Amino acid sequence: LAKTTQPISMDSYEGQEVNITCSHNNIATNDYITWYQQFPSQGPRFIIQGYKTKVTNEVASLFIPADRKSSTLSLPRVSLSDTAVYYCLVGPNYGQNFVFGPGTRLSVLP
Amino acid sequence: DTGVSQDPRHKITKRGQNVTFRCDPISEHNRLYWYRQTLGQGPEFLTYFQNEAQLEKSRLLSDRFSAERPKGSFSTLEIQRTEQGDSAMYLCASSSGTSGRALDTQYFGPGTRLTVL
Repeated sequence: LAKTTQPISMDSYEGQEVNITCSHNNIATNDYITWYQQFPSQGPRFIIQGYKTKVTNEVASLFIPADRKSSTLSLPRVSLSDTAVYYCLVGPNYGQNFVFGPGTRLSVLP
Repeated sequence: DTGVSQDPRHKITKRGQNVTFRCDPISEHNRLYWYRQTLGQGPEFLTYFQNEAQLEKSRLLSDRFSAERPKGSFSTLEIQRTEQGDSAMYLCASSSGTSGRALDTQYFGPGTRLTVL
């Protein structure tokens, strides 16, 4: 089971690009990297998932280096509504191995 | 709205009482999950169903907890003889269970917040 390490908190300003890095030194060959976003009193919401290189969707980009020991979630031009906790997960997509850490609390300031 | 729904959204109970929560997954999703989340922590896995079969249970799921998914559709989570330490947000998620792990995204419901007095 790959353990992940993320910053506990980050601050940013509206309109800036935010990059949140997650370390997962023990990632296994078959593991995928998944990021979720959670607002207070709501369930987590899927943002993006990748295996290697770069993945981009309408919300974010995910950069994964060749060794896959880390990954970076990139949020372009954040707004106040992006204030949330962001979780990095590594492993299979189901079962007991779907482990959330404490996440990164992102605060976007005006 | 065809997302995951949970009922009730909030539950306040006295220590020692039994409580039951319901989760309705996204239609046709084969997999259903229960998680527990306490303040400032990420969700913790409790149990997981593939259709009506309960395939995995966390050690967090003591014998006071029981979950069912009788027809492979909705699920219930019951906590017997509640304790103050059971106070938490209980989250349900579902996924399609399609082959290929990369595509089996979990979609979460809004949760049920339990307060045990």
